[in-house]
Amino acid sequence: AQKVTQAQTEISVVEKEDVTLDCVYETRDTTYYLFWYKQPPSGELVFLIRRNSFDEQNEISGRYSWNFQKSTSSFNFTITASQVVDSAVYFCALSDGHGANSKLTFGKGITLSVRP
Amino acid sequence: DTGVSQDPRHKITKRGQNVTFRCDPISEHNRLYWYRQTLGQGPEFLTYFQNEAQLEKSRLLSDRFSAERPKGSFSTLEIQRTEQGDSAMYLCASSLTSAELYNEQFFGPGTRLTVL
Repeated sequence: AQKVTQAQTEISVVEKEDVTLDCVYETRDTTYYLFWYKQPPSGELVFLIRRNSFDEQNEISGRYSWNFQKSTSSFNFTITASQVVDSAVYFCALSDGHGANSKLTFGKGITLSVRP
Repeated sequence: DTGVSQDPRHKITKRGQNVTFRCDPISEHNRLYWYRQTLGQGPEFLTYFQNEAQLEKSRLLSDRFSAERPKGSFSTLEIQRTEQGDSAMYLCASSLTSAELYNEQFFGPGTRLTVL
């Protein structure tokens, strides 16, 4: 069975601080995909990134960066120079990559509050 | 607007009543998913369709729940004899995915159900 653990539940930082959101996953599949989604107060889940299990390169997109390490089954998300607009709930999710069923298994989410 | 849309956005009903929600996916997407999200939790998979075929249902989907995607386009989720435990946000997502092609799921704004 697949499982995603987001051990941090709530994080509060002051604007311009860097913050890292942790994600640990469990799967027996050799092919799988990892995701991060953002859920702002409006409620709609916004896709941030997808990473497949064969690509361990770290990725940077503006102030966002992701660190994927298969050895520790982790896919951590760092926001550099946080802003108030980054305040949201962030979900890490896992999907098998077989195509036959690509349902997402989500973690419980991390509530990030960025104070001015 | 070419995103996933859901209707209604909010539904308040009395216990024992039936409710139906509608989801319109992104037009070219072949897969459509339903998830349920309760307060403080990540979304949980309910069921998904590949075109008009319902390919998997979660154990969470009791016999009071039924979903359809009659023409492979929009989908409906019906809950019969609602219970207070059905109160949640019901999320719809769509993707363009096959055994050979994997793409991320895009989510709609959700339907928030409150059962009194």
